[in-house]
Amino acid sequence: DIQMTQSPSTLSASVGDRVTITCRASQSISSWLAWYQQKPGKAPKLLIYKASSLESGVPSRFSGSGSGTEFTLTISSLQPDDFASYYCQQYNSYSSWTFGQGTKVEIK
Amino acid sequence: EVQLVESGGGLVQPGGSLRLSCAASGFTFSSYWMHWVRLAPGKGLVWVSHINSDGSSTTYADSVKGRFTISRDNAKNTLYLQMNSLRAEDTAVYYCARQWGSGWPLDYWGQGTLVTVSS
Repeated sequence: DIQMTQSPSTLSASVGDRVTITCRASQSISSWLAWYQQKPGKAPKLLIYKASSLESGVPSRFSGSGSGTEFTLTISSLQPDDFASYYCQQYNSYSSWTFGQGTKVEIK
Repeated sequence: EVQLVESGGGLVQPGGSLRLSCAASGFTFSSYWMHWVRLAPGKGLVWVSHINSDGSSTTYADSVKGRFTISRDNAKNTLYLQMNSLRAEDTAVYYCARQWGSGWPLDYWGQGTLVTVSS
């Protein structure tokens, strides 16, 4: 099975900061990677798919990059609404859809 | 408006069974693959199971294989997860999510239903 390693697990940042989260796959997944945001008690929300495509309605301060095994999610200027948990997920395999361990973005 | 509404969660003893449902509306349910994903307390998202659009193909995480069964009724626009031989480590919020097909992400999720396995 494909393993996804996400870092950091926790990130402390201030409003206006540029934030980067990294996700590494145990084998190449081409660009079949998505990023989700989840707030406590809420459903996960799709932000980025196919590594760099912005989901409709998602603010342009969110961006994704990478291919193969190395991927990043960047928030260009952190806003109060962005304090949440973020997960990467690979959807390259037909037998498993693995998530990273998650990154909690906290207020510094 | 796309809606996915989970139900059927609750408190169950170890070794017990529970059946979760996910009622879909606002889209052509029979055209989508469907998934169950769970979030245990203090942990991250974990994929549980997948079913293709006509129900002919299913896959499971190793942790639930042989204990959980995913199914769907396209006439009723409903997804199911039959959970048997439940363990304490199955305690989680269970979400259903849709996927258009190969090469597409899980683009819409329900609000989840809580399953607690405890004596």
